[in-house]
Amino acid sequence: DGGITQSPKYLFRKEGQNVTLSCEQNLNHDAMYWYRQDPGQGLRLIYYSQIVNDFQKGDIAEGYSVSREKKESFPLTVTSAQKNPTAFYLCASSRRVDYGYTFGSGTRLTVV
Amino acid sequence: DAKTTQPPSMDCAEGRAANLPCNHSTISGNEYVYWYRQIHSQGPQYIIHGLKNNETNEMASLIITEDRKSSTLILPHATLRDTAVYYCIVRGTQGGSEKLVFGKGTKLTVNP
Repeated sequence: DGGITQSPKYLFRKEGQNVTLSCEQNLNHDAMYWYRQDPGQGLRLIYYSQIVNDFQKGDIAEGYSVSREKKESFPLTVTSAQKNPTAFYLCASSRRVDYGYTFGSGTRLTVV
Repeated sequence: DAKTTQPPSMDCAEGRAANLPCNHSTISGNEYVYWYRQIHSQGPQYIIHGLKNNETNEMASLIITEDRKSSTLILPHATLRDTAVYYCIVRGTQGGSEKLVFGKGTKLTVNP
């Protein structure tokens, strides 16, 4: 079955360490997105990519980095520069002409 | 900023219809109305979307006013599993940098 897979589901990180969250889709979608969600809040856009080897900053890109070397993959790195990294991270994808999004199941990152 | 306004919370009795309102008074002619829902600690799930006409699928119905400034999502026979946060989003039909902007949504609680 086609879908979007995020891993790991839970991730613990020590302060000062970088960590990379994985997002893979086999839906042949062109666009991919990373959102952050804090408790009781809506989703905020971190980065998005409309095409391979291209990506744009969202509303809260500081302290994060991404790459889009393959259509299927859009990993997110949370760097030590991100001051409050503990959150629920969601990856999504969509076709450019079909504007529905498919979301992954999320990664819950906790800084210890 | 989100282009939509929703009540923060609603309650509904199990088996009754749940009617979730959304205001999108600044919607433009080429923007669709999308509805997603998010059950705790999971990725958002697509429900339905529409442009002008009312829409119905196996999950819900979407009623859009003639002036398109508001809409209502209807869950005809709510069950306990429909308890979730429901997001109403507007999004354009143009490609490029269009992206979903999530507000805080409506927390729907279905009571036994």
